[in-house]
Amino acid sequence: AQSVSQHNHHVILSEAASLELGCNYSYGGTVNLFWYVQYPGQHLQLLLKYFSGDPLVKGIKGFEAEFIKSKFSFNLRKPSVQWSDTAEYFCAVRGNNAGNMLTFGGGTRLMVKP
Amino acid sequence: EAGVAQSPRYKIIEKRQSVAFWCNPISGHATLYWYQQILGQGPKLLIQFQNNGVVDDSQLPKDRFSAERLKGVDSTLKIQPAKLEDSAVYLCASSLRTSSSYNEQFFGPGTRLTVL
Repeated sequence: AQSVSQHNHHVILSEAASLELGCNYSYGGTVNLFWYVQYPGQHLQLLLKYFSGDPLVKGIKGFEAEFIKSKFSFNLRKPSVQWSDTAEYFCAVRGNNAGNMLTFGGGTRLMVKP
Repeated sequence: EAGVAQSPRYKIIEKRQSVAFWCNPISGHATLYWYQQILGQGPKLLIQFQNNGVVDDSQLPKDRFSAERLKGVDSTLKIQPAKLEDSAVYLCASSLRTSSSYNEQFFGPGTRLTVL
């Protein structure tokens, strides 16, 4: 069975600070990895995804994530956060034999102070 | 393009009562999912439909939860009877037909259920 762990439950940053949110997964085979974001009052939406190739993936709004296979990690980064990045962020994994099934981590709530 | 629609947005019931949630997926999306998101946790898949057939319901508590997608479009998730621990946001998502390659899931706004 696949599982996802997000170690930071709450993160508070000031604007312009750099962001890194941790995500570790457990799965014995090939995986696809995702970061979803949920802004206050809005629905979940895809931020970025990794399927294969370059392990450094760039997404929307200046976010990027790096897949490190040896560490089973897919950390999300942004060099300089903005107040509008205040949201909850979810890492998710899909095993290559899992059809379209996603397993989500517990989420990290990010608050950016203006 | 219209997104995934869900109703109601909020529901408050007492334990042992019944409740039903409705979902209308994006037009043309063959696959529909119901997730349960308990406060402080990530979404957990309850059931996945491909058209009107169930693909995966291994995490659906079948003694009290049921779901259907009779015509392969709209879907209803029911809880009967509800327990306190069912308080959560119920998310519906849809995607193009499930295949060996991944199809992006698009999420609705969710229904927040409070069981008193």
